[in-house]
Amino acid sequence: AIQMTQSPSSLSASVGDRVTITCRASQDIRDDLVWYQQKPGKAPNLLISAASSLQSGVPSRFSGSGSGTDFTLTINSLQPEDFATYYCQQDYKYPLTFGGGTKVEIK
Amino acid sequence: QVQLVQSGAEVKKPGASVKVSCKASGYTFTNYYIHWVRQAPGQGLEWMGIINPNAGTRNNAQKFPGRVTMTRDTSTATVYMEMSSLTSEDTAVYYCARDVGVGVALNLFDIWGQGTMVTVSS
Repeated sequence: AIQMTQSPSSLSASVGDRVTITCRASQDIRDDLVWYQQKPGKAPNLLISAASSLQSGVPSRFSGSGSGTDFTLTINSLQPEDFATYYCQQDYKYPLTFGGGTKVEIK
Repeated sequence: QVQLVQSGAEVKKPGASVKVSCKASGYTFTNYYIHWVRQAPGQGLEWMGIINPNAGTRNNAQKFPGRVTMTRDTSTATVYMEMSSLTSEDTAVYYCARDVGVGVALNLFDIWGQGTMVTVSS
């Protein structure tokens, strides 16, 4: 199975900060990379597909980049509602696999 | 509106089985694949498998050899996930999630159920 490694596992940031989360795949997955946001007690919410395509309704402060094995999720000007856990997922091949998550906390 | 509504929380003893339902509404049930994803307390997400509600075909993660069965009932637009031989390590929230693809599995999820907590304890 393809292993997805996210870093950091957690970070503290302030409102207005720029935050970067990385995700590394154990093999080349082209741009078959998805990002989700999950808030406590809720199901995940789809943010970005195909590594960089923002889903409808997702604020433009979110952006994704990368291809092959290395990917990045960037949140520009962090807002209070962005404090959550973020997961990457490869949709390249079965079994689908997720990164371990990055918890973004308030500094 | 488009939604997936899951059955309620379950408490099971080790060795037992559990069956979780996921009822779809607001869209054409047979047009979208459904996945199952679980999340142990305080842990990350784990993909369990996918079912095609139209054909009934499925693909399970190899981590659950013979323990997970996914079925569907097109008359009620409901998908089921049954897991047998439960252990404490199966304690988790189980989610159903709709694939974004229409008639094809693109393997990313746009609509999620609310989750079903399954607790395995003696």
